[in-house]
Amino acid sequence: EVQLVEAGGGLKHPGGSLRLSCAASGFTFSSNAMNWVRQAPGKGLEWLSYISSSSNTIYYADSVKGRFTISRDNAENSLYLQMDSLKVEDSAVYYCARGVRWFDRWGQGTLVTVST
Amino acid sequence: EVVMTQSPATLSVSPGERATLSCRANQSVGTNLVWYQQKPGQAPKLLIYRASTRAPGIPARFSGSGSGTEFTLTISSLQSEDFAVYYCQQYDDWPPYTFGQGTKLEIK
Repeated sequence: EVQLVEAGGGLKHPGGSLRLSCAASGFTFSSNAMNWVRQAPGKGLEWLSYISSSSNTIYYADSVKGRFTISRDNAENSLYLQMDSLKVEDSAVYYCARGVRWFDRWGQGTLVTVST
Repeated sequence: EVVMTQSPATLSVSPGERATLSCRANQSVGTNLVWYQQKPGQAPKLLIYRASTRAPGIPARFSGSGSGTEFTLTISSLQSEDFAVYYCQQYDDWPPYTFGQGTKLEIK
């Protein structure tokens, strides 16, 4: 069974840092592109970042470019999102999602709250 | 950036009836469009890709249509489990992938 399990969310002050992880199982992680998508409370979905299967291609949304860094460890079947210079508006549930073009598997999400 | 607009924001329909949800792009995206379903407290679930192809395991009552800038998700006979929020997403011109703001399908 395909599983994606996010971890690492929590409460941070503005300007702080956080590292999210996504543990993958049930499929060949190293052959799949991955993404991070977030959802602010009561709001819609926002794509944040894409990483190709071999990490050769990486993209970011303008809203997080220069502050967030996506990475992966295919040997550990894990995806990461390093979040620096956090802002209040970064508060959201963060999902990892598999795929290029569309996202056919999603994790359950991890909540990040940025507040003073 | 391609802007996706969904309408209506909320749709009230009785169980057993048909629901029609709309998604519009501000430029042509061909048939490079996806629909997701999201229930409260859950992650989104892929329903339709390439505008009209159902994802594995998705019931036949869900159908997608459209091309260019106008798309429709139709649920032919609403079941209780279909009441949720539905999002469209384009992948024609990315990055970024862009989503519509969602349509909440509620029980009438």
